[in-house]
Amino acid sequence: EDQVTQSPEALRLQEGESSSLNCSYTVSGLRGLFWYRQDPGKGPEFLFTLYSAGEEKEKERLKATLTKKESFLHITAPKPEDSATYLCAGREGSNFGNEKLTFGTGTRLTIIP
Amino acid sequence: DSGVTQTPKHLITATGQRVTLRCSPRSGDLSVYWYQQSLDQGLQFLIQYYNGEERAKGNILERFSAQQFPDLHSELNLSSLELGDSALYFCASSVGGRAGEQFFGPGTRLTVL
Repeated sequence: EDQVTQSPEALRLQEGESSSLNCSYTVSGLRGLFWYRQDPGKGPEFLFTLYSAGEEKEKERLKATLTKKESFLHITAPKPEDSATYLCAGREGSNFGNEKLTFGTGTRLTIIP
Repeated sequence: DSGVTQTPKHLITATGQRVTLRCSPRSGDLSVYWYQQSLDQGLQFLIQYYNGEERAKGNILERFSAQQFPDLHSELNLSSLELGDSALYFCASSVGGRAGEQFFGPGTRLTVL
């Protein structure tokens, strides 16, 4: 069964204190590893897609990386507005038009001013 | 703003009732996905439609059904509602096919009393 596990469940950082969030996956025939940001009561906001081991993508203070078994979301010098829940998801997508995402339970990130 | 719209934003109803949630995908997107998010279970995939046809099914209860109309909007019907059905229901859309990120709507918060 496809599984995505995120750690830690919650992380509190001081403003400017860099860290990394982990996402490990067992998704057969992985066709993409996705990162989303979700603010309370709102829909997930797309951040990155990674397709192959070694791939990296950056956006402002965030950088996502992918290995064969896990992905990391690195946060450099975070600001309070980076506080949110970060969700990781794997897509099986073995058949055309079947693009089910399996989500992890997320890491709740709090940046303290 | 992701471009995906959902109505209503909030819905309060009683056990045993039936409700319909509506989703309009981003312009040009052919795939629509429904997800359920509750506090104890995280984001769970329910069902996917691609250009009017069902393409993937997740842990969707028999009391729930969905369809995608010729204009590509989608409806999720929930019947014989139980207290445990209280959750946030999200719709997402994508271009479809092997590539394409999923973009989420703002969600419908369902409360069953």
